[in-house]
Amino acid sequence: DGGITQSPKYLFRKEGQNVTLSCEQNLNHDAMYWYRQDPGQGLRLIYYSQIVNDFQKGDIAEGYSVSREKKESFPLTVTSAQKNPTAFYLCASSADRANYGYTFGSGTRLTVV
Amino acid sequence: AQSVSQHNHHVILSEAASLELGCNYSYGGTVNLFWYVQYPGQHLQLLLKYFSGDPLVKGIKGFEAEFIKSKFSFNLRKPSVQWSDTAEYFCAVNAWGQNFVFGPGTRLSVLP
Repeated sequence: DGGITQSPKYLFRKEGQNVTLSCEQNLNHDAMYWYRQDPGQGLRLIYYSQIVNDFQKGDIAEGYSVSREKKESFPLTVTSAQKNPTAFYLCASSADRANYGYTFGSGTRLTVV
Repeated sequence: AQSVSQHNHHVILSEAASLELGCNYSYGGTVNLFWYVQYPGQHLQLLLKYFSGDPLVKGIKGFEAEFIKSKFSFNLRKPSVQWSDTAEYFCAVNAWGQNFVFGPGTRLSVLP
């Protein structure tokens, strides 16, 4: 079945460490997105990519970095510069810049200890 | 910039009660409208979407939503909720060719 795989499901990180969250899709979608979900704030866009080797900052990109070397993969790195990284991170993809809706992964819950 | 508001942070209902969750957006142009649901421990799933045509759209699991352009609203309804509808519901909007803007979400708790 086609879909989006995010790994790991739970991740613990010590303060000051970088950590990379994986997102892989086999839907042949061109566009991929990273969102951060916090209680009561909905989903906020971190980064998005419409095509391989190109990505754009979203609303809350500070402290994060991404790469898009392959169509199927869009990893997110949470750097030590992110002041409040503990959150639920969702990856999504779409066929046509979201005009027809997103497909979401199951998310990664990151906890900084 | 677009924004989306959802009227209620947390709604508590008994089984068989009717549900209406409010969603308003701010954008003057043509938009696509979506409702997503996130069941506990699961990923977001599309409930229904509106692009054009009949402003009353039907989705999965008995949900429907009505687009009222004059009120910039896209409220979600279900005539009779079940315990299994307990979840968080997100309204989302995008102008054609632009990224989604999500509302803050409404948590629905259905008591058996």
